[in-house]
Amino acid sequence: NAGVTQTPKFQVLKTGQSMTLQCAQDMNHNSMYWYRQDPGMGLRLIYYSASEGTTDKGEVPNGYNVSRLNKREFSLRLESAAPSQTSVYFCASSDLTMFAAFFGQGTRLTVV
Amino acid sequence: DQQVKQNSPSLSVQEGRISILNCDYTNSMFDYFLWYKKYPAEGPTFLISISSIKDKNEDGRFTVFLNKSAKHLSLHIVPSQPGDSAVYFCAATYGNKLVFGAGTILRVKS
Repeated sequence: NAGVTQTPKFQVLKTGQSMTLQCAQDMNHNSMYWYRQDPGMGLRLIYYSASEGTTDKGEVPNGYNVSRLNKREFSLRLESAAPSQTSVYFCASSDLTMFAAFFGQGTRLTVV
Repeated sequence: DQQVKQNSPSLSVQEGRISILNCDYTNSMFDYFLWYKKYPAEGPTFLISISSIKDKNEDGRFTVFLNKSAKHLSLHIVPSQPGDSAVYFCAATYGNKLVFGAGTILRVKS
């Protein structure tokens, strides 16, 4: 039972490059989330998807796009990476009847 | 605009004593409040939750208290153990959103 799987675990990008962070869950959850964690800022919500086919902006959506490919997968795309996007990114999923979310192990992204 | 605030960046407690982690919030529409625990290089893991209509929830060594009039919740860990040393995040839900505080680093000394 894998839970929430994120790939890659580490990535270094040059300013202006693009990349997609992948996330998949096997718990049949409806809701999925992308967060970034920065020192002293906690976890800030980038985008979320309440169900397949829907996405909504969170607190810090600028510079990101998302795609809810199907119920299992929710990807986060950086079209033109900037040093301010250096962070640890976490994907999570939840069945809100449980009122708790399960997180992946994170992707450490460095933009130079 | 941070709707969930954890004003103490860190807390140090002796093993066996009580740890009290605090959280304040501004949005009265929050449905549920949750606590997560995070070890380095791992994702956060769910610890305990409380509905906005309750004032206390207990699970083993962990108890969460909610004071709606003060918009304040706290997590009590009794007795504290060295393995409890981690970052603790307070979180809250409204609609389909789940928002987090900045976290408190708990160190339990043996």
